[in-house]
Amino acid sequence: DIVLTQSPDSLAVSLGERATINCKSSQNLLYSSNNRIQLAWYQQKPGQPPKLLIYWASTRESGVPDRFSGSGSGTDFTLTISSLQAEDVAVYYCQQYYTTPTITFGQGTRLEIK
Amino acid sequence: EVQLVESGGGLVQPGRSLRLSCAVSGFSLHDHAMHWVRQAPGKGLEWVSSINWNGGTTGYADSVKGRFTISRDSAKNSLYLQMNSLRPEDTALYYCAKDKNGYACFLDHWGQGTLVTVSS
Repeated sequence: DIVLTQSPDSLAVSLGERATINCKSSQNLLYSSNNRIQLAWYQQKPGQPPKLLIYWASTRESGVPDRFSGSGSGTDFTLTISSLQAEDVAVYYCQQYYTTPTITFGQGTRLEIK
Repeated sequence: EVQLVESGGGLVQPGRSLRLSCAVSGFSLHDHAMHWVRQAPGKGLEWVSSINWNGGTTGYADSVKGRFTISRDSAKNSLYLQMNSLRPEDTALYYCAKDKNGYACFLDHWGQGTLVTVSS
């Protein structure tokens, strides 16, 4: 089974500053058949269901602000918020779909305002 | 507009069964994989099960394999999760989610969830 480990577990960043969340996979998530990385990122605000932010490791979902970006390769991935806004306070999850039809989520990273 | 509305949650005793439903609108079940994802109180997301666009491929988390069954009825625009032999650790908010693709990949729309509590 693929295990996703996010770091840090929680993070406090000042408004307007950069926030970086990491996700490490126990296996390479590059799928050779399509040469795409099988990783997505979600945002979950309190009392709400998760929202898809990024898929294929770096493709932004429609309507997601461009301050959100995803990067990485192989087993190490990063979600970056370039300039933190108050509405970005949430828990962020990475998710792999390399092992489709089974998928797994990371444990989550809580992002707060410093 | 894509909408997913879960129902069927409630309080159930350990060992009993429950069937969750998810009524969908705004898209065709024929074109998308579907998922159930749960979240225990104060905890993270746990994927439970998926079913592909034609119902021919399903997947289950090890924690529910052999106890839960996912199914779909395109004519009724509905997704289901039959949960048997329920355990206290199955207590969670259960989300129905639509995949952006026809096979299990990433989840672009989610319902608000239905709460399942397993307790005597």
